[in-house]
Amino acid sequence: QKEVEQDPGPLSVPEGAIVSLNCTYSNSAFQYFMWYRQYSRKGPELLMYTYSSGNKEDGRFTAQVDKSSKYISLFIRDSQPSDSATYLCASNNAGNMLTFGGGTRLMVKP
Amino acid sequence: NAGVTQTPKFQVLKTGQSMTLQCAQDMNHEYMSWYRQDPGMGLRLIHYSVGAGITDQGEVPNGYNVSRSTTEDFPLRLLSAAPSQTSVYFCASSYSGGTNQPQHFGDGTRLSIL
Repeated sequence: QKEVEQDPGPLSVPEGAIVSLNCTYSNSAFQYFMWYRQYSRKGPELLMYTYSSGNKEDGRFTAQVDKSSKYISLFIRDSQPSDSATYLCASNNAGNMLTFGGGTRLMVKP
Repeated sequence: NAGVTQTPKFQVLKTGQSMTLQCAQDMNHEYMSWYRQDPGMGLRLIHYSVGAGITDQGEVPNGYNVSRSTTEDFPLRLLSAAPSQTSVYFCASSYSGGTNQPQHFGDGTRLSIL
């Protein structure tokens, strides 16, 4: 079993919809949680970073961590076609090794 | 500012051949790492380095070798290529270890082993 799991999708939504992307993790030692966005044929880029439980908001993006259920979420409000990409969640335990989920492919249709 | 540069972008090898994937960063980052990305598997860490002269193994190190003689460069060597090493390889760097520091990724090397 992978330490970080994601539904691979694809997830297809109309422009303007609210998108919910989710991950689960199994390692209780994970403290840091990140979301990366990856466009086709490009490297991942960091979107959001959170420490421990709670919410963090940045523009149209909200990251949520629930350590009691080991659940990580990314919400995208007013989704745009430019948000179409693969979204990767990642976690680590303050060490030097980052563990990624398999990624969820999102398609936002005009 | 070039960021993280990977070369080559594409490569086809025959089984048993060796090659070196190049990675260079111009941000004076101490931490550098190599990942492979396979469908449905996400990014898996191969090797990483916390500074010049220091390297360590990640999740899937077998069949790969690294060295870090300078802060800027972190090459990945395939010793004897196997079809199972067909993948997209990403190099990443950050100011320090992969905790709260954003990883800056290159655009990848697409490697096919026949």
